[in-house]
Amino acid sequence: DSGVTQTPKHLITATGQRVTLRCSPRSGDLSVYWYQQSLDQGLQFLIQYYNGEERAKGNILERFSAQQFPDLHSELNLSSLELGDSALYFCASSVGYTERNTIYFGEGSWLTVV
Amino acid sequence: DAKTTQPTSMDCAEGRAANLPCNHSTISGNEYVYWYRQIHSQGPQYIIHGLKNNETNEMASLIITEDRKSSTLILPHATLRDTAVYYCIASNDYKLSFGAGTTVTVRA
Repeated sequence: DSGVTQTPKHLITATGQRVTLRCSPRSGDLSVYWYQQSLDQGLQFLIQYYNGEERAKGNILERFSAQQFPDLHSELNLSSLELGDSALYFCASSVGYTERNTIYFGEGSWLTVV
Repeated sequence: DAKTTQPTSMDCAEGRAANLPCNHSTISGNEYVYWYRQIHSQGPQYIIHGLKNNETNEMASLIITEDRKSSTLILPHATLRDTAVYYCIASNDYKLSFGAGTTVTVRA
């Protein structure tokens, strides 16, 4: 158990809908990361927050957005869902945001868009 | 992140040491070498990381060549539960870039 908690574990929704994935980082971690893993793309970095502020953006679609709240939990919002958005979404956390900080991953949220 | 090259797959026997190679010939001086593994769609699990010196923890050892162009992850006594995809990442950026990794199958 990494200490990173993600909900829901599984989600099935229809195209065009909007979903919210939630992440609670490890206790004491200020940095939160979101990754997407699909069969054809592998693990892709989406976005990172540190202490409530966006720090870095990766391959995140404009239909997707995220935020980190004052209690440090984070949410990833996915809207206008398409079949291709079906994937495993991982949240990860670390104490800081330097290369020395170990990043710990949650167990992921399986999203299926039908 | 520097490009890393790993074998697509490898087998090892249970109870034996598993040596996983990784080439990172374009690594820059401030890039760390990280190893993570992913067991069947679970969240990636941190194993170890290092910059120049060899490192050891309760899970594995990391041997980095003197020129830092390659490294080897050593699982000292592989068990069936070590069957997973192992990712080698060379990065000075906290935004880790995962490649395809090596699928390691531990056989009884």
